[in-house]
Amino acid sequence: AQKVTQAQTEISVVEKEDVTLDCVYETRDTTYYLFWYKQPPSGELVFLIRRNSFDEQNEISGRYSWNFQKSTSSFNFTITASQVVDSAVYFCALSEVGWSTGFQKLVFGTGTRLLVSP
Amino acid sequence: ETGVTQTPRHLVMGMTNKKSLKCEQHLGHNAMYWYKQSAKKPLELMFVYNFKEQTENNSVPSRFSPECPNSSHLFLHLHTLQPEDSALYLCASSQDFGDNTEAFFGQGTRLTVV
Repeated sequence: AQKVTQAQTEISVVEKEDVTLDCVYETRDTTYYLFWYKQPPSGELVFLIRRNSFDEQNEISGRYSWNFQKSTSSFNFTITASQVVDSAVYFCALSEVGWSTGFQKLVFGTGTRLLVSP
Repeated sequence: ETGVTQTPRHLVMGMTNKKSLKCEQHLGHNAMYWYKQSAKKPLELMFVYNFKEQTENNSVPSRFSPECPNSSHLFLHLHTLQPEDSALYLCASSQDFGDNTEAFFGQGTRLTVV
């Protein structure tokens, strides 16, 4: 069965600090996708990144970076120079690749609440 | 604005009431989903519709009844709910052309059962 673990329930940092959100996953599939979503207080989940299991290249997008390590089944997310607007709940998710099914079954972690204070 | 709109945003209902949640997507996607987000629990996939056909029902109690009249609209009909059904109900949609794409979520309906 697939499982996503986000061991950090809540993290508090001061603005401009760097912060890393951990994500560990379990799957028997050899092909899968990993995702990060942000949930601000307004409620909707905002897509941040999707990573294919065959692509272990780290990715950087502005202040955001992701470290995918298949050997440790981890897909960690780092925010550099955090800002107050980064305060939200962040979810890591795993999806099997549905080549014939045409849809995603996202398995989510329990989320990490990030609080960035001025 | 993600292109997925949910109404109402907030709903309070008694255990004997019947109500419906509505989701509409303007993204031309072919798959739509209902997720339930309870406090301190992972988001749970409830139902999946692909090209208007229900393809997934994750052992959801029959007091939740989904309806997908077309690929742009998804409803969740509620009746005789329990207080433990209070949660944030999120709708999502995605497109697939032989490769997965990300799911886009609505802002959710915060449901309180009293």
